[in-house]
Amino acid sequence: QQQVKQSPQSLIVQKGGISIINCAYENTAFDYFPWYQQFPGKGPALLIAIRPDVSEKKEGRFTISFNKSAKQFSLHIMDSQPGDSATYFCAASRGNQFYFGTGTSLTVIP
Amino acid sequence: DGGITQSPKYLFRKEGQNVTLSCEQNLNHDAMYWYRQDPGQGLRLIYYSQIVNDFQKGDIAEGYSVSREKKESFPLTVTSAQKNPTAFYLCASSTRTGRGTGELFFGEGSRLTVL
Repeated sequence: QQQVKQSPQSLIVQKGGISIINCAYENTAFDYFPWYQQFPGKGPALLIAIRPDVSEKKEGRFTISFNKSAKQFSLHIMDSQPGDSATYFCAASRGNQFYFGTGTSLTVIP
Repeated sequence: DGGITQSPKYLFRKEGQNVTLSCEQNLNHDAMYWYRQDPGQGLRLIYYSQIVNDFQKGDIAEGYSVSREKKESFPLTVTSAQKNPTAFYLCASSTRTGRGTGELFFGEGSRLTVL
């Protein structure tokens, strides 16, 4: 059973547009929700993370929106740039157990 | 600089051979992990270790083995029993913060190709 479901699988956005990636989770015991960015041939790098006691966290152009009652969270990339083209993974965690979504391949067209 | 070092970055293996992937971290993290990444399947957990001399199977442990003799090192052996070993392998480590779950850091990965 997949603990974290991520959509869409791929996304194409024009430069300057907003990219939105959604994730849903099952286990209400999760207490940490990170997003990772991965470029081809590289390891994932932490982009931004949120804990369930807040509904939104913003860092620069990246925002996580968190809906605890719906068990959903999403990543918004404002003013998307070609350099943002990468694969994005959401995850949910409790303790040292991490569960990942299947990833979203984002392409930002100049 | 602190981080996670994986080696080799690329590895080719003949069928029937065992191969060991190295993972070293100097972050003083207690927990270490091995993930396998295949296109369209995200990251799947192979093994994890929360403390020296202890490790647990993840979701896809069959055909793999690990050891954790030192805090800094968590090597992964891909055995000949692994039926489809060609993949990108990622090592990671984490520490527990005062609020519970800690951040997960990844290495740069090792790409294994079986010929």
